[in-house]
Amino acid sequence: QVQLVESGGGVVQPGGSLRLSCEASGFTFSSSGMHWVRQAPGKGLEWVAFIRYDGNNKYYADSVKGRFTVSRDNSKSTLYLQLNSLRPEDTAVYYCAEGVGGWYWGQGTLVTVSS
Amino acid sequence: DIQLTQSPSFLSASVGDRVTITCRASQGISSFLAWYHQKPGTAPKLLIYAASTLQSGVPSRFSGSGSGTEFTLTITSLQPEDFATYYCQQLNSYPITFGQGTRLEIK
Repeated sequence: QVQLVESGGGVVQPGGSLRLSCEASGFTFSSSGMHWVRQAPGKGLEWVAFIRYDGNNKYYADSVKGRFTVSRDNSKSTLYLQLNSLRPEDTAVYYCAEGVGGWYWGQGTLVTVSS
Repeated sequence: DIQLTQSPSFLSASVGDRVTITCRASQGISSFLAWYHQKPGTAPKLLIYAASTLQSGVPSRFSGSGSGTEFTLTITSLQPEDFATYYCQQLNSYPITFGQGTRLEIK
């Protein structure tokens, strides 16, 4: 079955950087587009980024464009999200997700941006 | 961007009740709509995709319908484990968007 395990979250100061990882198993990672979604404390779901199966197409939410970068290593079945110039409003649980018509989700990793 | 508006935002119901949640899209999205529920501290779980297709393993008391701009999720005979927050999601175009959520609580 599909398994997605995020890691790399933590506490970071405003303006700082963090790299999140998502290790995938149970499906053909190299053939699957992947997404990042976040959820601020007590709030709804916000899509963040998408990367095509081969890494050649990427899309971002306007709120993170120019600050976040999605990438992948198909040899390691791992998805990444580089978070730069972090702001307090980026505080959220970050989920990776896979699927086409409907998604499977990892358990999430918490990013807290605070001084 | 395509906006999704769920109604109601909050719903109080009893075990055994039938409930319906509506999701309206700001423009047509064909059948590119999914439904999830989420319990506190856990990830969203897929219930319905392609507007009306039940995800494998999801109980048949869940059903979805609609196309274009109006969609519904119906739960017949509510069970204790169904009390959660429900989200719709459009996958028609980027940016992918979610409804604001419907919190379903026990009366």
